[in-house]
Amino acid sequence: SQQGEEDPQALSIQEGENATMNCSYKTSINNLQWYRQNSGRGLVHLILIRSNEREKHSGRLRVTLDTSKKSSSLLITASRAADTASYFCATALIQGAQKLVFGQGTRLTINP
Amino acid sequence: DVKVTQSSRYLVKRTGEKVFLECVQDMDHENMFWYRQDPGLGLRLIYFSYDVKMKEKGDIPEGYSVSREKKERFSLILESASTNQTSMYLCASSLPTGGFPYEQYFGPGTRLTVT
Repeated sequence: SQQGEEDPQALSIQEGENATMNCSYKTSINNLQWYRQNSGRGLVHLILIRSNEREKHSGRLRVTLDTSKKSSSLLITASRAADTASYFCATALIQGAQKLVFGQGTRLTINP
Repeated sequence: DVKVTQSSRYLVKRTGEKVFLECVQDMDHENMFWYRQDPGLGLRLIYFSYDVKMKEKGDIPEGYSVSREKKERFSLILESASTNQTSMYLCASSLPTGGFPYEQYFGPGTRLTVT
């Protein structure tokens, strides 16, 4: 199965609410990254958290990492319609050289 | 501003044709990557390159080859296109870190249809 698996696969919330997406992985990592993809476009890097970090913030984004549970979460606070997109986690494996391993993504829809 | 461009946004080819997908980055990045993206499967790495004339197989290299003659350009080649290669193809680049990968910059993608 995939190294990185996002949960849920799809999420629909009202504008202004918070959105939480989760990512689980199987093998040891150096860092974990979150990317956003607007429909039919390329991916945009959002945030990177290293294996020795537990929490990181960037604007309305908050990422946590629990290496003991091999999981991460992405929280988007005060969601906006423009946050509608797919969100992917990507893991940099200890044994993975310069590669990232992407999960299948969470499709987030923000309803006005 | 960082920029990765791909030669086509949409491409339609016939089975058996040789297909070239071009990717150019203007950030002087050593690392470049080709992924394909399919519903339910996420992004899968086809090939990557650490430097000019260097290439490494990713997770799904079968049916593909690559070329990197110049630092800024990384080409993906489908030697004989098949219908199961219909997909979205994404190119990315990144700086070398001497260790673990950091941020990748993506192009807009090429949606290839093979009929």
